[in-house]
Amino acid sequence: EPEVTQTPSHQVTQMGQEVILRCVPISNHLYFYWYRQILGQKVEFLVSFYNNEISEKSEIFDDQFSVERPDGSNFTLKIRSTKLEDSAMYFCASLPGRANNEQFFGPGTRLTVL
Amino acid sequence: AQSVTQLDSQVPVFEEAPVELRCNYSSSVSVYLFWYVQYPNQGLQLLLKYLSGSTLVKGINGFEAEFNKSQTSFHLRKPSVHISDTAEYFCAVSDTRSRLTFGEGTQLTVNP
Repeated sequence: EPEVTQTPSHQVTQMGQEVILRCVPISNHLYFYWYRQILGQKVEFLVSFYNNEISEKSEIFDDQFSVERPDGSNFTLKIRSTKLEDSAMYFCASLPGRANNEQFFGPGTRLTVL
Repeated sequence: AQSVTQLDSQVPVFEEAPVELRCNYSSSVSVYLFWYVQYPNQGLQLLLKYLSGSTLVKGINGFEAEFNKSQTSFHLRKPSVHISDTAEYFCAVSDTRSRLTFGEGTQLTVNP
């Protein structure tokens, strides 16, 4: 069964460094998402991406964040200058089409900012 | 704007007992409703979803949920739980824009 994959599973970085989190969505899906979950808290929407552009973003998704689909298969989330409060689990999800509305989640990347 | 309230942060039950995890939502438009399960150190797995049609929805692992529009609820139930059901359960809502809004989660702990 096709699945969403994410790399790395765990990333440790120093405050102020740039990180790129990678996701490979399911191949025929059209909509892509990033969510994050700070330890012990709920899952929060960051951004959605469709047709090679951001379709919606939350208040959390400020200028430090960017997303890209560089090669038609990968979907990346970049954090330019990490802060301690960026430490969280980051989930990628993909959706085949709006009519279905079932998002398939990857296993997540745990980001630890020191 | 949408919101989801999960009324219980922790639900301890004994094995083979029934369980209900409560979820209420608010939205100004038609919604789609979901329950996800998260096992320790893992991602989110879809248990069941309500898009339209029958208000009683059956999912994986013996779970079911009932959509109640008048009470804006989508409670999750299982008639007999197992130790392996111990996990965090998240209720979520989306509208036609498809972003998911999650509740705070309910930690279900099944004791022998």
